[in-house]
Parts: sequence; structure tokens; C-alpha cells
Amino acid sequence: AQSVTQLDSQVPVFEEAPVELRCNYSSSVSVYLFWYVQYPNQGLQLLLKYLSGSTLVKGINGFEAEFNKSQTSFHLRKPSVHISDTAEYFCAVSSTSGTYKYIFGTGTRLKVLA
Amino acid sequence: DVKVTQSSRYLVKRTGEKVFLECVQDMDHENMFWYRQDPGLGLRLIYFSYDVKMKEKGDIPEGYSVSREKKERFSLILESASTNQTSMYLCASSDYWSGNQPQHFGDGTRLSIL
Repeated sequence: AQSVTQLDSQVPVFEEAPVELRCNYSSSVSVYLFWYVQYPNQGLQLLLKYLSGSTLVKGINGFEAEFNKSQTSFHLRKPSVHISDTAEYFCAVSSTSGTYKYIFGTGTRLKVLA
Repeated sequence: DVKVTQSSRYLVKRTGEKVFLECVQDMDHENMFWYRQDPGLGLRLIYFSYDVKMKEKGDIPEGYSVSREKKERFSLILESASTNQTSMYLCASSDYWSGNQPQHFGDGTRLSIL
């Protein structure tokens, strides 16, 4: 079985400051990892994904994430946030084999302050 | 660009009614999913379908059923709506299953059961 933990339910940060949103996962098999963003009153859209290869993954809107297998983490970072980054962010995993299911974390609400 | 369209953004129904939520995708994707999103609980999988007329239960199927008669359309049915089914419902699709395919989401249907 797999699980995803997003420890921070809310993260306030000032505009132009750096931010890190944490994601830890648990799995007995290899996984693929994803970060999604949800703006108010919209569905989720893909920010970035880790499938294999380089552990540092770059996504859209200046976000990046680093896969750390030993710590089973996939934290999302941005060096300088904008007001428009205010949204909810979801980490998700899927198995490299087996079921069709994706497991989502409970989400982190990022609030960028002026 | 993949387009996943949910028929209603907002829906208000009464307890005991049979409710249909419709979802259409335009990219010939094999897999389609219905999630329920509640604050603090993230996304929970209700049902998914990996082919026409094929379906599998997710984590919270009780009180729901689904129908997939055509590849592009996946319907969620609340057999007898109850107030605890008030929630945001998200439909998603993904290409052939290999686990590394990201999901594409609709904008959601906010359903209120009175």
C-alpha cells in the first residue's frame, strides 16, 4: 500500500520570498511522483513529475522538486513566489506497476502575502 | 491540449434524489476517474474506469455508481443523495496505463444536497 503525507496544511509566505512545500511518501514498490496545483474554483493541473533519471525536476511557473529516495521525500520549491502562486498544492504518487490508482496527499494551501 | 469537461459547475439537489454528474474528455484517453474533494481530506477516489464498460471501485464507492458506455464519457451517479455527499467532485482522465501518465482534471462540480 502507498500513502502520501503533506505535513503542512497551510503555508503563509511573503511575496518574493522562497518557499518549500513538503511531501513524504510511503511505498513498498517504486513510484512515480507528481505535484499538482489547484487555483480557486478550478481543477488540478500538473506542475511537474518525477519518473526516473535526474532527481531534480523542473516544472512550470518556476517550480522545482527534488526526489530523495532515502528520505522518501519529494519537496516542492520556488526561489521567489508571486501573489499569483496563491493556491492549493497536492503531491501524488502512482505505482510503477500494478493498480491504476493515484494516491494524493491532503494538500498544502500556499498563501502569498504582499 | 487535453480538455476534460464536467457538465455542471454548481448543482443543488434534494435528499433522496438520483443525481447524475457527467464528464467528457476529448483526447481518447483509456482511463477516467471520479474523485471527491473535501477540506483536509484531499482527493479520495470514488471509482475509475480503464475501458468502456469496465469499472473498478476506489476507496469510497458506497452510495455511488458509475457508467461508461462510450470511451469519452464517464458518469457518476448518486443513487439516493444524502447530505453527507455534499462535496466537490472532480473528474480526471489519463492515457494508457503505465503509472507515469499524469491525470488531466476537469474544473469540478460543487454539489450541495439539501
